Amino acid sequence: GDQVEQSPSALSLHEGTGSALRCNFTTTMRAVQWFRKNSRGSLINLFYLASGTKENGRLKSAFDSKERYSTLHIRDAQLEDSGTYFCAAVCSNTNKVVFGTGTRLQVLP
Amino acid sequence: EAGVTQSPRYAVLQEGQAVSFWCDPISGHDTLYWYQQPRDQGPQLLVYFRDEAVIDNSQLPSDRFSAVRPKGTNSTLKIQSAKQGDTATYLCASSFYNNQAPLFGEGTRLSVL
Repeated sequence: GDQVEQSPSALSLHEGTGSALRCNFTTTMRAVQWFRKNSRGSLINLFYLASGTKENGRLKSAFDSKERYSTLHIRDAQLEDSGTYFCAAVCSNTNKVVFGTGTRLQVLP
Repeated sequence: EAGVTQSPRYAVLQEGQAVSFWCDPISGHDTLYWYQQPRDQGPQLLVYFRDEAVIDNSQLPSDRFSAVRPKGTNSTLKIQSAKQGDTATYLCASSFYNNQAPLFGEGTRLSVL
């Protein structure tokens, strides 16, 4: 079936450093979203991309439908960036939205 | 503009009890999704509708779960005879078909004791 493989499952960063999260897709997706789960358990939308890249502050996301992946880059990580990040992709042929399994990010002082 | 509204915010049940969750999507959105998100896991799609029609309910446990969207607007997800394994947050989202990002509600946190 349609799957989204998200990596890494967990990540620790020191403040001020950066890294990237990645989602690989087993089928063609027409769009991808990135979310952060807040302390109340709500999904906060970070990006929605149908192609190309978007940047917002210290976050940048890219989506390549043809190559079947998306990335979320975090630079200059801050303590408040800690949390669980999810990608969700919209299947081109079914419009189904499929989530990755999440990346638990811990930013250390 | 009002977002996706879900109620109740929290529910606590004993095993065997029934519960209904309600979702009011963004006005005009024709596609509505229900997800189950167990603690510390990613959301898993249960069912989604376009207007009043079910597009995919293959992941909905049909023996105890049911979902309806009779007028193509609000939707209700019902669990008959809840089990402890149903403990999760239930998320509703809506969008325009083939356009725009699905927007998510705050979810309903269910605990089955």
